[in-house]
Amino acid sequence: AQKVTQAQTEISVVEKEDVTLDCVYETRDTTYYLFWYKQPPSGELVFLIRRNSFDEQNEISGRYSWNFQKSTSSFNFTITASQVVDSAVYFCALVNYGQNFVFGPGTRLSVLP
Amino acid sequence: SAVISQKPSRDICQRGTSLTIQCQVDSQVTMMFWYRQQPGQSLTLIATANQGSEATYESGFVIDKFPISRPNLTFSTLTVSNMSPEDSSIYLCSVEGTGGGTDTQYFGPGTRLTVL
Repeated sequence: AQKVTQAQTEISVVEKEDVTLDCVYETRDTTYYLFWYKQPPSGELVFLIRRNSFDEQNEISGRYSWNFQKSTSSFNFTITASQVVDSAVYFCALVNYGQNFVFGPGTRLSVLP
Repeated sequence: SAVISQKPSRDICQRGTSLTIQCQVDSQVTMMFWYRQQPGQSLTLIATANQGSEATYESGFVIDKFPISRPNLTFSTLTVSNMSPEDSSIYLCSVEGTGGGTDTQYFGPGTRLTVL
């Protein structure tokens, strides 16, 4: 069975601090995809990144970076120099090829000015 | 990427009534998905809708309660039937990215439903 765990329910940081959101997943398949989505207060889901199970290279996109480690089944997300606009709920998700998405419970990030 | 619109964006409904939510995509897609997000919760898949076939429902969701139509490759509807306050949620339509397979999944803006 597939499962995604985001142990941090809520995180609060002060603007310009770095913050890491944890994601741990469970799957028996060797081919799978991991995702991060952002859900701001307006409610829409914004796609941030997709990573397949064969690509463990870390990725950086501006202030965002992702650390994928198959050895620990983790796909953590770091925001550098956080901003108030980063305040949102962040979801990690897993999908095995040909199957359905499984979302984690989400982490609510509050960035205070 | 895919641009997805949903109607209505929000509604307040009375117990026992039904609401049909529309999802329109700007490109043809094979699979469309309907999710529910209860207040403060994560997303739960309701069903997968393929054009020309019956929708496939996840455990805990039944066609009588959530009938789905998929008349063409760009449109789908989800009906929430005989509503109760427990149905108050955000309902989201989703499609796979144009790259096919599981490249990416894009979401509509959601329909925020409140049942009194």
